[in-house]
Amino acid sequence: NAGVTQTPKFQVLKTGQSMTLQCAQDMNHNSMYWYRQDPGMGLRLIYYSASEGTTDKGEVPNGYNVSRLNKREFSLRLESAAPSQTSVYFCASSEARGYNQPQHFGDGTRLSIL
Amino acid sequence: AQSVTQLGSHVSVSEGALVLLRCNYSSSVPPYLFWYVQYPNQGLQLLLKYTSAATLVKGINGFEAEFKKSETSFHLTKPSAHMSDAAEYFCAVSGTFYSGGGADGLTFGKGTHLIIQP
Repeated sequence: NAGVTQTPKFQVLKTGQSMTLQCAQDMNHNSMYWYRQDPGMGLRLIYYSASEGTTDKGEVPNGYNVSRLNKREFSLRLESAAPSQTSVYFCASSEARGYNQPQHFGDGTRLSIL
Repeated sequence: AQSVTQLGSHVSVSEGALVLLRCNYSSSVPPYLFWYVQYPNQGLQLLLKYTSAATLVKGINGFEAEFKKSETSFHLTKPSAHMSDAAEYFCAVSGTFYSGGGADGLTFGKGTHLIIQP
């Protein structure tokens, strides 16, 4: 009963390096999301995919790209990492697009940019 | 646009005492509201959700929340705190934003860290 799986769990990068964060869900959910969590800021939406084949920007998309590889997988890419992108990144999924759909979260990727 | 305000970044209660975590929302459309809990080094776990069926919502681990439209509030309560309740709690609202259509993503409050004193 894995739910939402994120890899890696921890990563340290140097400024300017690139990296892809992986996310997979096994609940047959249609919608997937990427958030970042910073101290005292709550979670902020980076990108989301309402359904397979579609992606849209959230509140803080600058410096990131995403790929909805298939229904299960949704990756987040940092093309040129910056110290301001040091954060904990969470992937989430929901059964469908909709106001009342709860989201299920992975355990996060802790990313440090030096 | 939706927004959520959680009053108190840290709340400390004694074991066995009432837990009250405050959440106020702003929404131009009827909101759907959620409470999530985050234990250290883990993701967020859904505690409960309000989707207009009933104003008093019961969740897991003995928590409940009451939706009060007149006060735009959705406070989380638990009658008797347990040491295992120590965690970060987030209130979130779902609704249209960014693209102007569809309910994609949640808007979170900044979180309340609940401390349980023995």
